[in-house]
Amino acid sequence: GQNIDQPTEMTATEGAIVQINCTYQTSGFNGLFWYQQHAGEAPTFLSYNVLDGLEEKGRFSSFLSRSKGYSYLLLKELQMKDSASYLCAVMDSNYQLIWGAGTKLIIKP
Amino acid sequence: GAVVSQHPSRVICKSGTSVKIECRSLDFQATTMFWYRQFPKQSLMLMATSNEGSKATYEQGVEKDKFLINHASLTLSTLTVTSAHPEDSSFYICSARNIAGDYNEQFFGPGTRLTVL
Repeated sequence: GQNIDQPTEMTATEGAIVQINCTYQTSGFNGLFWYQQHAGEAPTFLSYNVLDGLEEKGRFSSFLSRSKGYSYLLLKELQMKDSASYLCAVMDSNYQLIWGAGTKLIIKP
Repeated sequence: GAVVSQHPSRVICKSGTSVKIECRSLDFQATTMFWYRQFPKQSLMLMATSNEGSKATYEQGVEKDKFLINHASLTLSTLTVTSAHPEDSSFYICSARNIAGDYNEQFFGPGTRLTVL
């Protein structure tokens, strides 16, 4: 079966760095997405990785290792507004997104 | 960027009534739209994939006669929850795939919160 695993909840301090991991097992692979979702709102796109390596976009970076079925989202210089759920999703061979359960990130002052 | 709208944003209805939710891609054509449901503190659950001009493909366990999906144009898909019951109360989110985009990205609507009394 297809499976996406990520931690349920993480806590970090304002100004610090946090890494949210995601491991996956899917039928085929056409890219991995990270989305941010604030409570009561729809997800918003953060990043996309289809090749191995690190993609950096401002305070956010995303890493992918296809051989390990592993990705992480790195958030630097954490701000209170970064408190949200972070969803990892893999696009399978049918171009369908398989979603992880999300990681709730709590930022403390 | 690509924008997807959803209407209504919030609806409260009585048990047994039907509710229609619209999903529109405002600045791009979407041959494929997706309907998700999200219960509190849970992840997105794909309900169905909607392709323009054809019947929707429903995920296992989703009743196609209860959740009617119509994708009549390249910019509009509708989800009708028929004979809604309290257990149908949830956050319904649509997304649209921009085939002209770089990597089949899905753009999400703002969601519709349905409360069935």
